[in-house]
Amino acid sequence: DTAVSQTPKYLVTQMGNDKSIKCEQNLGHDTMYWYKQDSKKFLKIMFSYNNKELIINETVPNRFSPKSPDKAHLNLHINSLELGDSAVYFCASSPGQGISGANVLTFGAGSRLTVL
Amino acid sequence: GENVEQHPSTLSVQEGDSAVIKCTYSDSASNYFPWYKQELGKGPQLIIDIRSNVGEKKDQRIAVTLNKTAKHFSLHITETQPEDSAVYFCAASEDYGQNFVFGPGTRLSVLP
Repeated sequence: DTAVSQTPKYLVTQMGNDKSIKCEQNLGHDTMYWYKQDSKKFLKIMFSYNNKELIINETVPNRFSPKSPDKAHLNLHINSLELGDSAVYFCASSPGQGISGANVLTFGAGSRLTVL
Repeated sequence: GENVEQHPSTLSVQEGDSAVIKCTYSDSASNYFPWYKQELGKGPQLIIDIRSNVGEKKDQRIAVTLNKTAKHFSLHITETQPEDSAVYFCAASEDYGQNFVFGPGTRLSVLP
């Protein structure tokens, strides 16, 4: 029973297309995140949502739009894909804001996006 | 903002030897320092963490030390095994906070 699950695991698409990656967590956590890991393995936060509200929005092109329909889901939609968007995208969750231990992250297995 | 550096970027050790990975951070407000292990094809997993009111923490073969004055912390793995081979990330954040800054990672290879 996967704690943080994301789909698809692999995504290959052409430049200019629009694609979505879905994430769901069954841990009852209040906070969810999207991280981008590039080819050099750098992990950079993109977005953080707490109870469906956007908390962190790092310098990310507005072609990336997160959507949180409820606190167990955080989807990532990417418009007009570019070559530089190729990376592994990780969804993660943590217990919540203002709680000790709030910042223990549980990651999904990642979604490898390849833009041709 | 916070900046986390990590060394070395790659590390090879013989099975049974010890491995040490070091990180430095820049923001004195950071007070929570986790270490994550990422195996091939998987997401990072928390292996140990330390808060700034503690200088050292140990869990079986792994330990983390923190020097607040110098703003650096280290991961120590003793009696390494082939299954310890992975990429290790350090991170820093403020406790209760939600913005983690990760180091660039260390690829550890344990040679049989």
